[in-house]
Amino acid sequence: RKEVEQDPGPFNVPEGATVAFNCTYSNSASQSFFWYRQDCRKEPKLLMSVYSSGNEDGRFTAQLNRASQYISLLIRDSKLSDSATYLCVVGNTGRRALTFGSGTRLQVQP
Amino acid sequence: GAGVSQSPSNKVTEKGKDVELRCDPISGHTALYWYRQSLGQGLEFLIYFQGNSAPDKSGLPSDRFSAERTGGSVSTLTIQRTQQEDSAVYLCASSPQGALAGNTIYFGEGSWLTVV
Repeated sequence: RKEVEQDPGPFNVPEGATVAFNCTYSNSASQSFFWYRQDCRKEPKLLMSVYSSGNEDGRFTAQLNRASQYISLLIRDSKLSDSATYLCVVGNTGRRALTFGSGTRLQVQP
Repeated sequence: GAGVSQSPSNKVTEKGKDVELRCDPISGHTALYWYRQSLGQGLEFLIYFQGNSAPDKSGLPSDRFSAERTGGSVSTLTIQRTQQEDSAVYLCASSPQGALAGNTIYFGEGSWLTVV
């Protein structure tokens, strides 16, 4: 089983739609959680950190469920510019580097 | 510079040759990471540096791969006797402290390696 698992998609949604991605992680001792965005042939960039209480940044909401070991990302009012691959990222005890999921591809269509 | 700088940005090499990839992290960042990403795949962790030491090199795929960091700054990833399966983009990232401190890591644009 992979340490971090995501549905690869693609998720094809119309502009203005709400879309949600989930990600599961296997290590219950994981301590830090992030969503990164990666555009085609570009480097990953931080979208947002994920806090235990959940957090919101504009149209983006991230939530963490430690009991079930999953993280979610909700995007409201999708824009064409949201089209990208969204990477779920987890920091694990005993491993100093972050572990990346394989990503979920989102395509927002006009 | 303002961001993580990597060179070369593109490298085509013949199978069996050695290559060196360079990473210049953000000034003041003590943690440095190397990942690689094959086409259409996720990021694969290679090695992590804290200062000049590498507490986690568990991701290096074989003994053909090595990395060093000097002066707590620039890092070099060396691949010896390259194979076609080494073709990927090699991404370097840095953060102010370790990842477990909850710090964001910032990526360079990557070095695209093609082994022919």
